[in-house]
Amino acid sequence: AQTVTQSQPEMSVQEAETVTLSCTYDTSESDYYLFWYKQPPSRQMILVIRQEAYKQQNATENRFSVNFQKAAKSFSLKISDSQLGDAAMYFCGRTSYGKLTFGQGTILTVHP
Amino acid sequence: EAGVTQFPSHSVIEKGQTVTLRCDPISGHDNLYWYRRVMGKEIKFLLHFVKESKQDESGMPNNRFLAERTGGTYSTLKVQPAELEDSGVYFCASSQSSIYNEQFFGPGTRLTVL
Repeated sequence: AQTVTQSQPEMSVQEAETVTLSCTYDTSESDYYLFWYKQPPSRQMILVIRQEAYKQQNATENRFSVNFQKAAKSFSLKISDSQLGDAAMYFCGRTSYGKLTFGQGTILTVHP
Repeated sequence: EAGVTQFPSHSVIEKGQTVTLRCDPISGHDNLYWYRRVMGKEIKFLLHFVKESKQDESGMPNNRFLAERTGGTYSTLKVQPAELEDSGVYFCASSQSSIYNEQFFGPGTRLTVL
């Protein structure tokens, strides 16, 4: 089975500091997309950032950026200048012909 | 524009009963997906509709689960008869025509089977 692994069940960060969430994946495909979704408490999952596997340049969205290492099948998420509103469960995901395969999730706590 | 909606938000049923979950995707989204998260485990894919056709139902656990998408609009997921292990949160997501487009998720339906 092609899997996605998030090895950090929980992470915490001080407000305004930087935190990195890890994700590794397994795939036999050459073309795929990687995603980070966030689910705040009692709210819907929303897309944080997306990376096309064929692109070497790492995706960035404001304070969120990824470190995509294709050969190592690694896709970590860096959150800079953390804010209280970043507190959520974060899911790493990979697409395969549409369907998403998710990691187990990382709970991020942001301390004021 | 309205997002993906799901009904009900919570459902508590007895083992052996039937439950039907509904998902209304974003208007114009051809792709509709169902996922499930069982307590403490990862979110798992159940199936994928393209308009009214089942594109991939490889994640459906067994024949107690039946999904339909009437006229390519809303979708229902029926569990009959429900078992204890069916408890979890059922998510629906939709996306535009390309399968690599962002999937927009609904709030989920929390199903508890007693």
